[in-house]
Amino acid sequence: AQTVTQSQPEMSVQEAETVTLSCTYDTSESDYYLFWYKQPPSRQMILVIRQEAYKQQNATENRFSVNFQKAAKSFSLKISDSQLGDAAMYFCALVVGGSRLTFGEGTQLTVNP
Amino acid sequence: SAVISQKPSRDICQRGTSLTIQCQVDSQVTMMFWYRQQPGQSLTLIATANQGSEATYESGFVIDKFPISRPNLTFSTLTVSNMSPEDSSIYLCSVEAGGGETQYFGPGTRLLVL
Repeated sequence: AQTVTQSQPEMSVQEAETVTLSCTYDTSESDYYLFWYKQPPSRQMILVIRQEAYKQQNATENRFSVNFQKAAKSFSLKISDSQLGDAAMYFCALVVGGSRLTFGEGTQLTVNP
Repeated sequence: SAVISQKPSRDICQRGTSLTIQCQVDSQVTMMFWYRQQPGQSLTLIATANQGSEATYESGFVIDKFPISRPNLTFSTLTVSNMSPEDSSIYLCSVEAGGGETQYFGPGTRLLVL
């Protein structure tokens, strides 16, 4: 079975600053995918970034980047130049081939002007 | 990626009634998923719906309570049957698209049961 843990229920950041959201996971498989999803107040789940476990290079998408540490089973999300629109609940998620997506409990991010 | 729509976007229902939620995707997909998100919580998978076969339900979810249809590769429905206030949640459908087992989500259906 897979587990995903987000130890920060809430985080806050000043506009234009950088914030890092933490995520750890557990799986016995060597091939899997990791994701960060954003859920604003509209409740739409929006894919932020994806990381393939077999790739050593950390994924980046504009202001969003990850620090993927496979040995430590850690997958943190860094948001640079934070904007008011980044305020949302962020979910870390894991999928192992053919199985269901396992979500963490989420981190509520507040962006202060 | 995929563009997904859900109907209705929200509803208020009386206990004991049933509601059918529709999920439409703009391209043909093999796997569709239904999730429930209870207030203040993370997402929980209800079932996986593949076209041409019976849906596969997760532990704690049964077909009598959450019947699912998957008539073609772009459409699915989830029915919440004999509703109680505990069924008040957001229900989301998702599809696997774009490779890498990536799931894209619909906008969700907010259900309140009185």
